[in-house]
Amino acid sequence: AQKITQTQPGMFVQEKEAVTLDCTYDTSDPSYGLFWYKQPSSGEMIFLIYQGSYDQQNATEGRYSLNFQKARKSANLVISASQLGDSAMYFCAMREEGQGFSFIFGKGTRLLVKP
Amino acid sequence: GAVVSQHPSWVICKSGTSVKIECRSLDFQATTMFWYRQFPKQSLMLMATSNEGSKATYEQGVEKDKFLINHASLTLSTLTVTSAHPEDSSFYICSATPWVAGHNEQFFGPGTRLTVL
Repeated sequence: AQKITQTQPGMFVQEKEAVTLDCTYDTSDPSYGLFWYKQPSSGEMIFLIYQGSYDQQNATEGRYSLNFQKARKSANLVISASQLGDSAMYFCAMREEGQGFSFIFGKGTRLLVKP
Repeated sequence: GAVVSQHPSWVICKSGTSVKIECRSLDFQATTMFWYRQFPKQSLMLMATSNEGSKATYEQGVEKDKFLINHASLTLSTLTVTSAHPEDSSFYICSATPWVAGHNEQFFGPGTRLTVL
């Protein structure tokens, strides 16, 4: 079974609108972290936001927020006020405490922001 | 934020040759570095975990004799693709975790695009 599932291979959003990218995860480890990374066409991986399994509040970083629903094992990324520069691949990743520092990545969602 | 560099950013080589890729943490010490491979339009796949001063831990299906990893210092890990073949053409990305207790984030290098002719 996949540990990180991103069900949307591609998405469109109109500039200035908000968009939600889905991510569900599967783990039996009580301590884990969830990450979102952006990968533009240049290939670099840009860290966006982090949510720890024990965090009580949803993480926010500027226009990015993470809708963390622990019971449903989902960690959706919300981008508000989309910009043309947000067009990229977005990867959800998980780190399990019992697995050290290694990450497991989802298959990614390609977001295209339309002007 | 912490910076990780990779060198070279791209390389083209002939089949049968070996290629070395360097991964450096520029402003922090990293006891653990990771090497990923990414094929076009696919996700990052962890190849191996590189620990300073010890042997790398390879993921299932990754040939350790083909992908040699050396983590010689707290700021440098190298991946050598030996006897490269066209199927080894890929985007190779390293990442590093700072030597700070409880730190969660991995910092990624800009990647190295390898093309084997």
